Amino acid sequence: SQKIEQNSEALNIQEGKTATLTCNYTNYSPAYLQWYRQDPGRGPVFLLLIRENEKEKRKERLKVTFDTTLKQSLFHITASQPADSATYLCALDRISNDYKLSFGAGTTVTVRA
Amino acid sequence: DTEVTQTPKHLVMGMTNKKSLKCEQHMGHRAMYWYKQKAKKPPELMFVYSYEKLSINESVPSRFSPECPNSSLLNLHLHALQPEDSALYLCASSQAGEDTQYFGPGTRLTVL
Repeated sequence: SQKIEQNSEALNIQEGKTATLTCNYTNYSPAYLQWYRQDPGRGPVFLLLIRENEKEKRKERLKVTFDTTLKQSLFHITASQPADSATYLCALDRISNDYKLSFGAGTTVTVRA
Repeated sequence: DTEVTQTPKHLVMGMTNKKSLKCEQHMGHRAMYWYKQKAKKPPELMFVYSYEKLSINESVPSRFSPECPNSSLLNLHLHALQPEDSALYLCASSQAGEDTQYFGPGTRLTVL
């Protein structure tokens, strides 16, 4: 069966350090992978999309890698700040071109000042 | 305008009530979605509308009835819900054929 695993339910780090989150998947052949941020009681906010033919993507302090051989994406937050504290969700398209996204369970990041 | 709005923010209803959730976007997106999210779980897709037509129903019970009156509006009509239907209901939209979804803030629903 198809599965998306975000390895850590929670990640606590010191301000200024790099947070690294992992998203592994099985029985998918995604055309792309997305990362979203969700604050408590709010809807997810899109952060980054990386396509199957891209190895790495960056946006400000965020970096995403995508290894289709390992079936894994890594999400890095560099120089982390307390404002980065949130739940981060990875999402895959289930079947191309039918608008379906499947989400991982998320990793809750807490950045200590 | 890059925002998806949802009303109400909170809703408490009894099992015999009928209520509706509303969602609106003015980004010209032609795909709109309803998701259900329980605490500490990922969003689960319920319905997808594409060009105002229902294209996906993820085997959702008939006590949830979606409606898309026009390209900017999406409703979710609720009737005879169960306490286990209590959750955060999220609306999202995307460009047709585009991959990124834009979510509203959600409606926190409590069924007593």
